Amino acid sequence: QQQVKQSPQSLIVQKGGISIINCAYENTAFDYFPWYQQFPGKGPALLIAIRPDVSEKKEGRFTISFNKSAKQFSLHIMDSQPGDSATYFCAAVNTGGFKTIFGAGTRLFVKA
Amino acid sequence: DSGVTQTPKHLITATGQRVTLRCSPRSGDLSVYWYQQSLDQGLQFLIQYYNGEERAKGNILERFSAQQFPDLHSELNLSSLELGDSALYFCASSVSPQMDEQFFGPGTRLTVL
Repeated sequence: QQQVKQSPQSLIVQKGGISIINCAYENTAFDYFPWYQQFPGKGPALLIAIRPDVSEKKEGRFTISFNKSAKQFSLHIMDSQPGDSATYFCAAVNTGGFKTIFGAGTRLFVKA
Repeated sequence: DSGVTQTPKHLITATGQRVTLRCSPRSGDLSVYWYQQSLDQGLQFLIQYYNGEERAKGNILERFSAQQFPDLHSELNLSSLELGDSALYFCASSVSPQMDEQFFGPGTRLTVL
């Protein structure tokens, strides 16, 4: 199966809190898992990505946790800020099979 | 600014018509990807070109076609347009053909009336 299931659909977090967005995939051929951030009227921007040989990757306030056996990965935004309010998309890529599947997106709103 | 440019920004046309969307990749990027983003379907991968050759096909309709030119810019041609083709069309680029580290352009909003 080629689906990537993303949850929640929307998320409201207080400023300074932790935002957590989850994704699950089915096809074990996926080998690259990026997260994109999209502001209204803009194109998606690559935020952070992970490959399945590591379980966690951190860049600033953004962390990806990856669970290969469960076929799940998640984005954690620490110390969430109002400027983080955007739509976040996960994706699963089969770099050898040339397939990219996006999750449906999560609308994050960080309250000041 | 990702370095990927797309023109036009907005396009309004009628059903049955044909349009061409243009994309210039980041300097040095050889891969170009086209995506459609609609409210009900999310982000859908359409097609990829690498160094002038078609590399991968996604959910691209037969009414749609694309090409990548020797200067690496790409065009997406949409014909026999239907109301349901109204969407945002994004182009992305990357250095390698592996579909990783894609940089998206600002998109073209197509409205079919």
